[in-house]
Amino acid sequence: NAGVMQNPRHLVRRRGQEARLRCSPMKGHSHVYWYRQLPEEGLKFMVYLQKENIIDESGMPKERFSAEFPKEGPSILRIQQVVRGDSAAYFCASSRDRLETDTQYFGPGTRLTVL
Amino acid sequence: DAKTTQPNSMESNEEEPVHLPCNHSTISGTDYIHWYRQLPSQGPEYVIHGLTSNVNNRMASLAIAEDRKSSTLILHRATLRDAAVYYCILWKTGANNLFFGTGTRLTVIP
Repeated sequence: NAGVMQNPRHLVRRRGQEARLRCSPMKGHSHVYWYRQLPEEGLKFMVYLQKENIIDESGMPKERFSAEFPKEGPSILRIQQVVRGDSAAYFCASSRDRLETDTQYFGPGTRLTVL
Repeated sequence: DAKTTQPNSMESNEEEPVHLPCNHSTISGTDYIHWYRQLPSQGPEYVIHGLTSNVNNRMASLAIAEDRKSSTLILHRATLRDAAVYYCILWKTGANNLFFGTGTRLTVIP
């Protein structure tokens, strides 16, 4: 059973470009979570999605960031008009059920560098 | 988010037991104690979790104080592959995410 997959693993963008990060959850998992980790810091929650629904986006910046988890295909975290402060590692996690009864399984992350 | 306090760093000799402490004095009755670890350049990995009783699995043991205000993650025999940042996290019933602090960076000395 493949784990959580993220691509690309490394992404370089210039200021003002768009970054698109993809996450394929583990097979059978319908809950997806995105976290951001700045250098030398812990992970910060961004958004929690179930298939086709955003459940909690309280950690996501109001502007330029959006996330989706369509019925078919991976979850996408999209950052428009990137700035240098967006440089970070972005981790996706998935779980089969809500956190009451299951743990989160994390992907290897996408390291975004904004020049 | 419920707060946990961990030492910034710890060292252990290879093949010796390691006790990683965590204080969570504001824990409430339904908060679960989760431990994750993050190896260099990787995503976090689940280690163990518990509510009130001590827990054991193939990776580690979790000892929870009787008043639940602290807990200890025990690695019975540290290996070089255990070098990582270990996060102690309180998960509140109904929360949608895990709150990661800065964790304890464990160095294993050969």
